[in-house]
Amino acid sequence: AQSVTQLGSHVSVSEGALVLLRCNYSSSVPPYLFWYVQYPNQGLQLLLKYTTGATLVKGINGFEAEFKKSETSFHLTKPSAHMSDAAEYFCAVSDGNQGGKLIFGQGTELSVKP
Amino acid sequence: NAGVTQTPKFQVLKTGQSMTLQCAQDMNHNSMYWYRQDPGMGLRLIYYSASEGTTDKGEVPNGYNVSRLNKREFSLRLESAAPSQTSVYFCASIGQQLYNEQFFGPGTRLTVL
Repeated sequence: AQSVTQLGSHVSVSEGALVLLRCNYSSSVPPYLFWYVQYPNQGLQLLLKYTTGATLVKGINGFEAEFKKSETSFHLTKPSAHMSDAAEYFCAVSDGNQGGKLIFGQGTELSVKP
Repeated sequence: NAGVTQTPKFQVLKTGQSMTLQCAQDMNHNSMYWYRQDPGMGLRLIYYSASEGTTDKGEVPNGYNVSRLNKREFSLRLESAAPSQTSVYFCASIGQQLYNEQFFGPGTRLTVL
């Protein structure tokens, strides 16, 4: 069975500081990995995804993530936080079968201090 | 394209009442999903439909039923609402390639008193 663990339910950074949101997964098959962002009172929006190929994936709004198979990790980073990055972030995994079902992590709420 | 739409946006029910949450997508997607979101628990899959005419249970199906009315529409029904079903409900859909991302609706915030 697949699972996702996001370390830290709340992360707080200062504006301009590095953002690092951690995600570890378990999967018995090569996974498809996703990061979604949810702004208050809105649905989820895709930030980036890893399917195959290059392990460093770039997404929208300056975010990127690196797939590390040996560490079963897919951490999300952004070099310099902006106030507008404050939101909840979800890591998710799919094995591409079973109708494309996603297994989500618990979410990490990012706060950005001025 | 409206993407994925959900109605209603908000609903308050009394225990034991029934209601149907509606979802529609205009992207010609095959697969559709219903999730619930609760604080600290991420999103959990209730039911999904891999294609028109098929539905399958997800992680938390108890107390819910679904109907894939046609390729566009996928509804979620609560026959007898309970306070434990107070949550935010999201509908999503995915295109032909299963490694594509799921597209999410804006959500329905349901409170059961």
